[in-house]
Amino acid sequence: DTEVTQTPKHLVMGMTNKKSLKCEQHMGHRAMYWYKQKAKKPPELMFVYSYEKLSINESVPSRFSPECPNSSLLNLHLHALQPEDSALYLCASSQDLASLRLDTQYFGPGTRLTVL
Amino acid sequence: QQQVKQSPQSLIVQKGGISIINCAYENTAFDYFPWYQQFPGKGPALLIAIRPDVSEKKEGRFTISFNKSAKQFSLHIMDSQPGDSATYFCAARSWGFQKLVFGTGTRLLVSP
Repeated sequence: DTEVTQTPKHLVMGMTNKKSLKCEQHMGHRAMYWYKQKAKKPPELMFVYSYEKLSINESVPSRFSPECPNSSLLNLHLHALQPEDSALYLCASSQDLASLRLDTQYFGPGTRLTVL
Repeated sequence: QQQVKQSPQSLIVQKGGISIINCAYENTAFDYFPWYQQFPGKGPALLIAIRPDVSEKKEGRFTISFNKSAKQFSLHIMDSQPGDSATYFCAARSWGFQKLVFGTGTRLLVSP
């Protein structure tokens, strides 16, 4: 099973709201990722967690706050977002960060976020 | 140097034809080159991947050709089908780094 699940599928929020995106994988992967994808563009890396610790933050604004409660779950907490933050938010996972072998990243279906 | 250049931006191929998408890179530290297929409203799905120690890898109708000296790699889709209509992203990753560098994407339309 190479499935990464994400909830919700769609989210509409106002600029003053607080919401969270959730991601789950049961493949035993120890690396998890958040990406942002705008229409007709490639995914842009936001955060990487390795063994439940934040490994990479690609200078993402603090209104996005990631959390990794355990090895299977990844959350992205959203607060005071701007309309330009509207995008498809993708979660991905990979086995681990040892690069001695091909380390495939498996993507979830994404959450379509609209900020009004 | 971290960029991966992808072409063409869009491609129309007749059913049964061969679709070819090209990517080029500069960073010689890249050691893993995956291709992802993405349908509208869905997440990218790994299609096929290659390491630079081989020049070609084939999986079904999909083939990656890799030219290490030219720092180029390409995706060939044989016998293209309407169901192959999607956006295709090439990517590259350096040894020791978790970050995938994506190409800009190619929108493929296979006409019936």
